[in-house]
Amino acid sequence: GAVVSQHPSRVICKSGTSVKIECRSLDFQATTMFWYRQFPKQSLMLMATSNEGSKATYEQGVEKDKFLINHASLTLSTLTVTSAHPEDSSFYICSANPTGGRREQYFGPGTRLTVT
Amino acid sequence: AQSVSQHNHHVILSEAASLELGCNYSYGGTVNLFWYVQYPGQHLQLLLKYFSGDPLVKGIKGFEAEFIKSKFSFNLRKPSVQWSDTAEYFCAVSHSGGYQKVTFGTGTKLQVIP
Repeated sequence: GAVVSQHPSRVICKSGTSVKIECRSLDFQATTMFWYRQFPKQSLMLMATSNEGSKATYEQGVEKDKFLINHASLTLSTLTVTSAHPEDSSFYICSANPTGGRREQYFGPGTRLTVT
Repeated sequence: AQSVSQHNHHVILSEAASLELGCNYSYGGTVNLFWYVQYPGQHLQLLLKYFSGDPLVKGIKGFEAEFIKSKFSFNLRKPSVQWSDTAEYFCAVSHSGGYQKVTFGTGTKLQVIP
């Protein structure tokens, strides 16, 4: 149980285009999902907290207009990287916190974004 | 703001050696503590967690960690490592209550030599 999927697993896009990444909790509901970014040989940096039915909460330094987050249902959150640039190339990971007060997060496999 | 520091960035051990990875956090309130592992090419998996109760926590694959509140530490241990333990290990902390925002340490890369 507690599986989180991400789609796509890898994506290559051209500079200036937008890319949407999906994060789904497959066998549980998640009121809260999180989006992280992981640079090579570095730790995970929290980008934003996605709350179902409300606006996302962004960490300091993360551009809201560039990284659009939508959490339309209890099993799906999406991250859209708008007007992507090469410096946005990274590994994006989502996690989901099950509803019902459980304090664990379950992580997706990540999405490797390469902007050319 | 909470922060997590992992003292060792890269650890190399021979099989059967004992392992201890350090983790210290800074946060004044009640915390939840985690160790995650990321095997090469795979996603993060939870090794063990501490929420409350017995400060010695046992996780999967023979790992354990001890929460020492006075030292703000949550070190990971394993008495005898195997080659298959080669991976990156992340310590993480969240504060009790709220929406479980998790802060990760910088990670420790463990390489076990057969």
